[in-house]
Amino acid sequence: SQQGEEDPQALSIQEGENATMNCSYKTSINNLQWYRQNSGRGLVHLILIRSNEREKHSGRLRVTLDTSKKSSSLLITASRAADTASYFCATAGSNDYKLSFGAGTTVTVRA
Amino acid sequence: GAVVSQHPSWVICKSGTSVKIECRSLDFQATTMFWYRQFPKQSLMLMATSNEGSKATYEQGVEKDKFLINHASLTLSTLTVTSAHPEDSSFYICSASLGGGPQETQYFGPGTRLLVL
Repeated sequence: SQQGEEDPQALSIQEGENATMNCSYKTSINNLQWYRQNSGRGLVHLILIRSNEREKHSGRLRVTLDTSKKSSSLLITASRAADTASYFCATAGSNDYKLSFGAGTTVTVRA
Repeated sequence: GAVVSQHPSWVICKSGTSVKIECRSLDFQATTMFWYRQFPKQSLMLMATSNEGSKATYEQGVEKDKFLINHASLTLSTLTVTSAHPEDSSFYICSASLGGGPQETQYFGPGTRLLVL
């Protein structure tokens, strides 16, 4: 079942600005992952943060995880037009390997 | 990096026909493959998990007789939509992982768009 909820549903920003999106989940997790999906395409894995980690960076991406609040955030700094896509969080449970996806945030970066 | 392919990328078929979608891991052996369905502007919903050489495990509400999954080798899983109807029109995405455990990254295929007329 779908566990994550994302906020906002849609985000429109100017090129160069930062984009922040949040993900909340309900049950305990082993890790949380963020994916990007360009329109009509498959998913690209961006970053995985484990339940014992609080923050992780990868290039212009910064992910935080607060297990006490059961929430995560994805920050994209200095956004580019090519960052226009839908972003999904997905959680992997402590006891199983299945990924449960959030509803996604659609990000539009205006040139 | 690990690459997963799907074939076909697009399929249009008449109602009542069966459609087979292939998912291949190109440069690694995938112990576990997953099949998802995504409706427009919605998230991915896991349909089933398949392990090489064993029967697939279906999620609640997914008809196993309608969505036949075969994982005959460590690099190939197939999803057959039997007697497809317009409501089966969707974007089907597979993913593959090396070990299937929660720490394992899933590598996603590019998806197959199915349109049933």
